[in-house]
Amino acid sequence: GAVVSQHPSWVICKSGTSVKIECRSLDFQATTMFWYRQFPKQSLMLMATSNEGSKATYEQGVEKDKFLINHASLTLSTLTVTSAHPEDSSFYICSANPGLGNNEQFFGPGTRLTVL
Amino acid sequence: LAKTTQPISMDSYEGQEVNITCSHNNIATNDYITWYQQFPSQGPRFIIQGYKTKVTNEVASLFIPADRKSSTLSLPRVSLSDTAVYYCLVGIYNTDKLIFGTGTRLQVFP
Repeated sequence: GAVVSQHPSWVICKSGTSVKIECRSLDFQATTMFWYRQFPKQSLMLMATSNEGSKATYEQGVEKDKFLINHASLTLSTLTVTSAHPEDSSFYICSANPGLGNNEQFFGPGTRLTVL
Repeated sequence: LAKTTQPISMDSYEGQEVNITCSHNNIATNDYITWYQQFPSQGPRFIIQGYKTKVTNEVASLFIPADRKSSTLSLPRVSLSDTAVYYCLVGIYNTDKLIFGTGTRLQVFP
């Protein structure tokens, strides 16, 4: 099946710094990728839709200037958490769909962000 | 996007069959029903997908009645490793964003 990777798998940073998380589709191209955030014991919450070559679409309540998304190629989307604060500590997960009649979303393994 | 409702949690014992039902009263004509499994600190993993009637694969079965307003995921002979959260979602996945509900936390005991 299609594989989606994320890097890093975990990151610890100081408050006020920015952190970049990469999401890659390893064996397929994806014009659209999705970013989710998940707090402990809670469900996944969709943050934004990343569109290759155009601006991301953010869900209501998600600050676009706080969570910068860049989808520069058909296999890579990045999420940058700018000026991170402890409340941004969470599990960030991306997903992508290979298209071509495939109706399944493939998820990355997630990135654990801890802001001190 | 259709909202789904599932039980918050379920308990079972090894070797038993587990059935998790999901309600999706507002499912649209073009929507598929998909179930995902998630272990702690991992991304969700696809289990099964269907549109109507019954679908079976090597790990589960999915039962969908004619009105498609609900669906049941059936896990035969669960093991300890099936302890996870199971999410039911509806949508058109090659284009749709996915909205996750609460999911069902399944705990399998020895």
